[in-house]
Amino acid sequence: GEDVEQSLFLSVREGDSSVINCTYTDSSSTYLYWYKQEPGAGLQLLTYIFSNMDMKQDQRLTVLLNKKDKHLSLRIADTQTGDSAIYFCAEKKGGGNKLTFGTGTQLKVEL
Amino acid sequence: GAVVSQHPSRVICKSGTSVKIECRSLDFQATTMFWYRQFPKQSLMLMATSNEGSKATYEQGVEKDKFLINHASLTLSTLTVTSAHPEDSSFYICSASLAGAGGGNEQFFGPGTRLTVL
Repeated sequence: GEDVEQSLFLSVREGDSSVINCTYTDSSSTYLYWYKQEPGAGLQLLTYIFSNMDMKQDQRLTVLLNKKDKHLSLRIADTQTGDSAIYFCAEKKGGGNKLTFGTGTQLKVEL
Repeated sequence: GAVVSQHPSRVICKSGTSVKIECRSLDFQATTMFWYRQFPKQSLMLMATSNEGSKATYEQGVEKDKFLINHASLTLSTLTVTSAHPEDSSFYICSASLAGAGGGNEQFFGPGTRLTVL
């Protein structure tokens, strides 16, 4: 199958770390992405990781990839209210540009 | 960075009419553009892949005669929803792929168009 799954909802307190998880089924994925979508808006690319990497850090964002388990996570350190949004993981396979998106996780940051 | 615009941002139309949505890459040439639709609280579903100067490739289950795609130049693709019906109401998002790009971050997304069919 080609499903990319995420938990639907995550609530954290401001200042805490958020961890958003994603599982995929296709081991031929070459790149995996995290996008952020705010209400009524398009998608903003946050970060991506090549499939031969285990980890990538970019400021407050840390991506972990466990290729054996086909598990991808996004950790947001010091979560702020402005981080409240829907987060989508996506995978790209082979040499094409087609992306398959996950089901999305709504992150709510509470004061 | 690479910017993609969509026009209009919102459109309301009567059932049976046709609606055209434009997707433009503002500061780069895009050999490939993608059209997605997103229902409320759901993920993005790829509708079609549009290559400049050739026919679009539609995903399974997407009616090519209903969703007409034209990619006449390296900076513009249009999606026309023909004979729109209320079930076509959705959020339509385009993305553009940078010509000749390598690496992981080739697709740049537009802000989306909210279509409401009455």
